[in-house]
Amino acid sequence: SQQGEEDPQALSIQEGENATMNCSYKTSINNLQWYRQNSGRGLVHLILIRSNEREKHSGRLRVTLDTSKKSSSLLITASRAADTASYFCATAFNYGQNFVFGPGTRLSVLP
Amino acid sequence: DVKVTQSSRYLVKRTGEKVFLECVQDMDHENMFWYRQDPGLGLRLIYFSYDVKMKEKGDIPEGYSVSREKKERFSLILESASTNQTSMYLCATISSPGELFFGEGSRLTVL
Repeated sequence: SQQGEEDPQALSIQEGENATMNCSYKTSINNLQWYRQNSGRGLVHLILIRSNEREKHSGRLRVTLDTSKKSSSLLITASRAADTASYFCATAFNYGQNFVFGPGTRLSVLP
Repeated sequence: DVKVTQSSRYLVKRTGEKVFLECVQDMDHENMFWYRQDPGLGLRLIYFSYDVKMKEKGDIPEGYSVSREKKERFSLILESASTNQTSMYLCATISSPGELFFGEGSRLTVL
């Protein structure tokens, strides 16, 4: 299976703390993307990192990519209760037209 | 902003019924996707389409068909619904940089 895997499956932290989620995958990729999903809603794109990039920032988000280890991490700094959601990594291949999603990490940020 | 609209947020159908899930996008994107989301399994691709009247099977096409008569509309059809098709269905389109834009999802329950 080409499916990616997020780690941990669930994470509970206090507001203001940092949250780190990891993603591993199995095949060569064009890019890797992180998405957020609030309960019962669609997925929202957060950030895309290309296979030739190692780190990318967007606001309170920091993503790293290690293609030698086939892994990525998403760091959310200074978390807020509104960050409570499920987070998914998606690996893109076949010129970025096909995607494989992991099962997600459920993040709970407690006020 | 890209808008992907799924016609029904919640549906309840009986076994054997024919089910239509409609998806419309307003950004003139070529590619559209139908995913199914189940707990612990992430998103799995059912069908995708690169152009009008064009369709390709994804990872789990059995029991489903699709229709793309117009560029903006991509429909998922369950010819004879079964209880194992109870799930969250997500439609998506893809932008030029390769980011997926999702609708809000259609939660289908088959009794």
